[in-house]
Amino acid sequence: RKEVEQDPGPFNVPEGATVAFNCTYSNSASQSFFWYRQDCRKEPKLLMSVYSSGNEDGRFTAQLNRASQYISLLIRDSKLSDSATYLCVVNWVSGGSYIPTFGRGTSLIVHP
Amino acid sequence: EPEVTQTPSHQVTQMGQEVILRCVPISNHLYFYWYRQILGQKVEFLVSFYNNEISEKSEIFDDQFSVERPDGSNFTLKIRSTKLEDSAMYFCASSEARAVGTQYFGPGTRLLVL
Repeated sequence: RKEVEQDPGPFNVPEGATVAFNCTYSNSASQSFFWYRQDCRKEPKLLMSVYSSGNEDGRFTAQLNRASQYISLLIRDSKLSDSATYLCVVNWVSGGSYIPTFGRGTSLIVHP
Repeated sequence: EPEVTQTPSHQVTQMGQEVILRCVPISNHLYFYWYRQILGQKVEFLVSFYNNEISEKSEIFDDQFSVERPDGSNFTLKIRSTKLEDSAMYFCASSEARAVGTQYFGPGTRLLVL
């Protein structure tokens, strides 16, 4: 069974804080990894891809640990507008097709 | 910026009725997807579509579901005989390439089955 697990939170942090989320996946044959952001009752939007070497986009840093089968997202200097649910997405390849599996998401609330 | 559109935004139907959810993917995209999200739960992959045929489907996508690209722009999801448990938000997505990171999601259709 292919599972993607996330701590649902909520993570309640003050503005300016640094917060980190982890996501674990069950299938070692997973091919690609992403973090999406979903605002309440809205569609998921790609935040960033996750590479083995780690990658950074402004205040956001993503890491992949294939050996331990987890990915992480670090948000520095949190803003009120960062409040959302962060979805971990893992792609498996089956028969030449990508099968995307979403985690349930981690809720972040940034307060003044 | 190009976007995926979906209609209707909300649909209320009686159990056992057929519904068709419509999507207009981004015009130069070749891969199309449907997902659903039951309230409070995770986004679940239903089906992917490429070159006018299904390329992958999940165990959720059983015989009551079908997809179609009836013309050059629309991509539809049909649920033949709706059940109460089909109530969910249905998202369409499209991408130029297969990898999910390049997918653009539509705003969703909220389906309520009574």
